[in-house]
Amino acid sequence: NAGVTQTPKFQVLKTGQSMTLQCAQDMNHEYMSWYRQDPGMGLRLIHYSVGAGITDQGEVPNGYNVSRSTTEDFPLRLLSAAPSQTSVYFCASRPGTSGGPNTGELFFGEGSRLTVL
Amino acid sequence: GNSVTQMEGPVTLSEEAFLTINCTYTATGYPSLFWYVQYPGEGLQLLLKATKADDKGSNKGFEATYRKETTSFHLEKGSVQVSDSAVYFCAPVPEGGKLIFGQGTELSVKP
Repeated sequence: NAGVTQTPKFQVLKTGQSMTLQCAQDMNHEYMSWYRQDPGMGLRLIHYSVGAGITDQGEVPNGYNVSRSTTEDFPLRLLSAAPSQTSVYFCASRPGTSGGPNTGELFFGEGSRLTVL
Repeated sequence: GNSVTQMEGPVTLSEEAFLTINCTYTATGYPSLFWYVQYPGEGLQLLLKATKADDKGSNKGFEATYRKETTSFHLEKGSVQVSDSAVYFCAPVPEGGKLIFGQGTELSVKP
């Protein structure tokens, strides 16, 4: 049971570099999302998707892009990394889209720790 | 707006001690309430939930009761174990709205 798979688990970037965090789920979940976790701030929603071809912004979308070409994959792109993007990133998914963009149990990946120097 | 306030950590307890982690929220309507747990080096996973007033969610010896009158969803366990050491997140989901995470409460249980 793979669930939600994130890669890479660790990454170090220099300021200005770009990269993509990968997220894949094998549960046929319609809803997928990206969070960042910073000390003392809980989890903050970056972007989310309610289905293939549909994405929307969360609380902290600036500096990040997403796309959803398939149900399974939801990559997060950093176009020009900044030290403020040093964080742990979590991808999460859930079945269905009823009741709004964020209801019901979320299934999380193990996280990707990003450091921007 | 919608928000959640959790008891600040870290919380350090001895094994078999009683645990309470407070959570209060503000949300429109009648939210569903969740507790998630994050073990070291892992992602979050659902611990328990309650979907309406006076419901009690329970799992792995943890309990939380949906108190609409005090807008609270405090997490309790009668006897903690070292394996319960983790970060606990309270997460209300307002009707038709987005899941809101608290800042998390780190629990450390010593033998």
